[in-house]
Amino acid sequence: EAAVTQSPRSKVAVTGGKVTLSCHQTNNHDYMYWYRQDTGHGLRLIHYSYVADSTEKGDIPDGYKASRPSQENFSLILELASLSQTAVYFCASSWTGGSGNTLYFGEGSRLIVV
Amino acid sequence: GEKVEQHESTLSVREGDSAVINCTYTDTASSYFPWYKQEAGKGLHFVIDIRSNVDRKQSQRLIVLLDKKAKRFSLHITATQPEDSAIYFCAASKDNNNRIFFGDGTQLVVKP
Repeated sequence: EAAVTQSPRSKVAVTGGKVTLSCHQTNNHDYMYWYRQDTGHGLRLIHYSYVADSTEKGDIPDGYKASRPSQENFSLILELASLSQTAVYFCASSWTGGSGNTLYFGEGSRLIVV
Repeated sequence: GEKVEQHESTLSVREGDSAVINCTYTDTASSYFPWYKQEAGKGLHFVIDIRSNVDRKQSQRLIVLLDKKAKRFSLHITATQPEDSAIYFCAASKDNNNRIFFGDGTQLVVKP
């Protein structure tokens, strides 16, 4: 079974502060993703990466940076956290990025910005 | 871009009955339609998918139907059990494209 672990699982941050969400996968997958889930809504793609040291913008990248220092690790960085970034963030990985490839999700990181 | 809509935000059924969750999509080029399940406090996990070259797929108690003409697909869960209670997300993507577009989710409650 694929394993994607996220940390922290929960965080309260102050407006304007810096937040780093970390993701580690042991699946040997090339692709990693960061999604955002707002209450009552589906997931929206923030950033993704298909190789170490390279990241790509997703559908809602504004206000977020990403870092992929190794195949196993993918971080999401909020340099200046804002109230609107309160959400649950999910990391996922997949073998390739093509259609039909199953996403394996972590358990989520709940971020509250106050 | 693609927009996926889930018609039921909540669905309540009695244990043993069938549950049906309906989704529509907008992009005729979409060709892959996975379904994911999210249990309370957990991440999503894959349950079943269908590709555009077929109109029906079954895996045990799960059946997915695809109507390309109407741009509609649905998940049927037969003989529901309490452990089927969760949020179900439909999604759509195109061939050779890593973008997967999710619906807003349907909360399924299976009552004993």
